[in-house]
Amino acid sequence: GAGVSQSPSNKVTEKGKDVELRCDPISGHTALYWYRQSLGQGLEFLIYFQGNSAPDKSGLPSDRFSAERTGGSVSTLTIQRTQQEDSAVYLCASSMGQGSNQPQHFGDGTRLSIL
Amino acid sequence: GIQVEQSPPDLILQEGANSTLRCNFSDSVNNLQWFHQNPWGQLINLFYIPSGTKQNGRLSATTVATERYSLLYISSSQTTDSGVYFCAVDLYSGNTPLVFGKGTRLSVIA
Repeated sequence: GAGVSQSPSNKVTEKGKDVELRCDPISGHTALYWYRQSLGQGLEFLIYFQGNSAPDKSGLPSDRFSAERTGGSVSTLTIQRTQQEDSAVYLCASSMGQGSNQPQHFGDGTRLSIL
Repeated sequence: GIQVEQSPPDLILQEGANSTLRCNFSDSVNNLQWFHQNPWGQLINLFYIPSGTKQNGRLSATTVATERYSLLYISSSQTTDSGVYFCAVDLYSGNTPLVFGKGTRLSVIA
């Protein structure tokens, strides 16, 4: 597709379960970002991938959060042993490669609800 | 870290009115983007505007990088303009993560 694709669009799960969220960036974009938006708040950076470089994990809130990007394209954000405070909308964005100042384009997000 | 402040936090407009939204940032930035988040939660790019002025239909934006602020102008507002407007900046070249303001929640009433 033409835009950033995220799945699932909604996820409801019980506290303590693990969840996986998927992001498929725009074709040709080498930079990929994960953000989180809690209810009524702005977006908070989680993790950033640029090409084959080691990811910038400085925004991850705890060691229960991890992400990988396979083949330089699709990314998966994993949250282990979910807690109620993990409930939020998780947004993925992508942009053109390093050295080219280009805007970030966002997917529609995954709305995660922890019961 | 860099601070991004948006004002006003909330704004109610009568359809057809004009408005100006402001974004102040505390440090020199490499990039600045304005987004509109619609009531369905979709985040839509409005402007990529690290400096200068751009216009797109009823919307325009101006960034004065030396004075560390950006303005988003909405003219002849429509109910479909309702939602939250976010300003976001990044500090370094090469597409680093954006730092978002808390947004301006706009409600346009008929």
